[in-house]
Amino acid sequence: NAGVTQTPKFQVLKTGQSMTLQCAQDMNHNSMYWYRQDPGMGLRLIYYSASEGTTDKGEVPNGYNVSRLNKREFSLRLESAAPSQTSVYFCASSEARWVSEFFGPGTRLTVL
Amino acid sequence: EDKVVQSPLSLVVHEGDTVTLNCSYEVTNFRSLLWYKQEKKAPTFLFMLTSSGIEKKSGRLSSILDKKELFSILNITATQTGDSAIYLCAVAQGGSEKLVFGKGTKLTVNP
Repeated sequence: NAGVTQTPKFQVLKTGQSMTLQCAQDMNHNSMYWYRQDPGMGLRLIYYSASEGTTDKGEVPNGYNVSRLNKREFSLRLESAAPSQTSVYFCASSEARWVSEFFGPGTRLTVL
Repeated sequence: EDKVVQSPLSLVVHEGDTVTLNCSYEVTNFRSLLWYKQEKKAPTFLFMLTSSGIEKKSGRLSSILDKKELFSILNITATQTGDSAIYLCAVAQGGSEKLVFGKGTKLTVNP
């Protein structure tokens, strides 16, 4: 039982490049979330998915897109990376709504 | 504007001390308050509180919510070096999945 997994662990991009962050959970959870964590800003919700086939914007969705491919997987895409998107990205999942119970290990993204 | 404020921002104690971490909030449509522990990597979920006055306990950690005064405290008794971490408070709002996080309290427990 791996819990929540994220790939890659680290990534360096140039401004304007695109990439997809992958997240998968093996706990059969309905709810999945993407957060970013910046120094002095705490965790901020980017997008969430309350169930397979649904996605909704969180607090800071601009510059990102998501895809809930199936119940296990929830990906985050940066279409044209900007330096302001340099951050640590966490995926989370939970059975119950309104609680991000299990977090993945994070992806540290640097945009030059 | 919704906000969650944690205090103190950082705290240094010695092993065996008891600490109290504070979380106050001003959030529309409050649903629940959550506490997390974040060591080097990802946050770990500790407690969810929805009702005032009911203490949640897990070993040496306990937490209580006051919905009238809009705050929660997290107590850690007989601290150990393994308690060193950033403790995050978050508030869930009804009607959306959004969690509003505070900036955290960095706790350092020295031997």
